[in-house]
Amino acid sequence: EAGVAQSPRYKIIEKRQSVAFWCNPISGHATLYWYQQILGQGPKLLIQFQNNGVVDDSQLPKDRFSAERLKGVDSTLKIQPAKLEDSAVYLCASGGLGINQETQYFGPGTRLLVL
Amino acid sequence: GEDVEQSLFLSVREGDSSVINCTYTDSSSTYLYWYKQEPGAGLQLLTYIFSNMDMKQDQRLTVLLNKKDKHLSLRIADTQTGDSAIYFCAEAPWRALTFGSGTRLQVQP
Repeated sequence: EAGVAQSPRYKIIEKRQSVAFWCNPISGHATLYWYQQILGQGPKLLIQFQNNGVVDDSQLPKDRFSAERLKGVDSTLKIQPAKLEDSAVYLCASGGLGINQETQYFGPGTRLLVL
Repeated sequence: GEDVEQSLFLSVREGDSSVINCTYTDSSSTYLYWYKQEPGAGLQLLTYIFSNMDMKQDQRLTVLLNKKDKHLSLRIADTQTGDSAIYFCAEAPWRALTFGSGTRLQVQP
């Protein structure tokens, strides 16, 4: 079974530029999450989707971050414009099958460096 | 403050047992999780425990849960150099995970 796919794996941009990340969850998983992991910290939730609807975006900085999951499968996360403090690893996770429907499986992440 | 707390660092010798501890705050969490993160990689699910259990064993891994004290531990038996990584515990009070800051496990040959 294929895992969660993310691209790109690495991205370097200058502040005030825009960037977009892509995530393809495990087939059949209804729930998709985006987390931000700053160096030395645990991941923190940015947004949670159930199919193509937003369940929780309370921690998403909506003045610069946006995310969508239009067809309930793939998702994109965008930052516009980027700030230095956005340098982090952006992790996508999916879940929703099996006995424990809350278990989340993570992709390899996109490492963003803002200069 | 942190909802989930872990010690930052643990060093053990190869072949010894490792015990990584975690405290959490939300008693409504249905499941509690342990994830492993190797350098440059995403998070790998190691194991999880349902909140009505006290213990779960899975090969070299043993999870102990003390709900009264909101304390979770992960024991790795016969620790190997390949176990060197950062270990995160996480609670899931509302489905999205709340992670600790991670414990870096260093295994010395």
